[in-house]
Amino acid sequence: EAQVTQNPRYLITVTGKKLTVTCSQNMNHEYMSWYRQDPGLGLRQIYYSMNVEVTDKGDVPEGYKVSRKEKRNFPLILESPSPNQTSLYFCASSLGSGAYEQYFGPGTRLTVT
Amino acid sequence: GENVEQHPSTLSVQEGDSAVIKCTYSDSASNYFPWYKQELGKRPQLIIDIRSNVGEKKDQRIAVTLNKTAKHFSLHITETQPEDSAVYFCAASPRGGYSTLTFGKGTMLLVSP
Repeated sequence: EAQVTQNPRYLITVTGKKLTVTCSQNMNHEYMSWYRQDPGLGLRQIYYSMNVEVTDKGDVPEGYKVSRKEKRNFPLILESPSPNQTSLYFCASSLGSGAYEQYFGPGTRLTVT
Repeated sequence: GENVEQHPSTLSVQEGDSAVIKCTYSDSASNYFPWYKQELGKRPQLIIDIRSNVGEKKDQRIAVTLNKTAKHFSLHITETQPEDSAVYFCAASPRGGYSTLTFGKGTMLLVSP
């Protein structure tokens, strides 16, 4: 089954404790992206990747890191989480950038206390 | 960069009525305009999209119209049903190999039986 998976689905952590949210897709997609969703603000892009070893900042990259060492995986790293990073996070992938359908993962609900 | 405005933020209709959600975009180079539906607690999923060489596209009860001169596009849902209740996001993407999607802030549609 073609899908995008994320782990964990729910996470409660404390300020400053490094964490990684994993994202994996099995569709051989080149393009992958991370979004955060906050009430009233819609989906805001954090980072995206055009292909292996090619990443770039989105609209809200501060406090986040990513890597793309393999085509299927695109982890999101919060080196020192803060309460303002409490949010719902979605990973997405598509065949290419721009005019292609994006397939979203199930989301990760992160709470930073 | 691209800026997408979406209105209204909430829309309540009676079952069987029509619903219209409108979006405007700023970058005249944008040429791909998808709409995503996000049911409560679920991931966003593509429901319809339109490209700049087409003025209107229909798929059963949903349709999208595009006015490139005015830089706006709209989602039309006819004969609404309770299962249409969800948050709807519009998005826009400029042409080019390194473009990304910019989303509107979303519209919560509530269809009352």
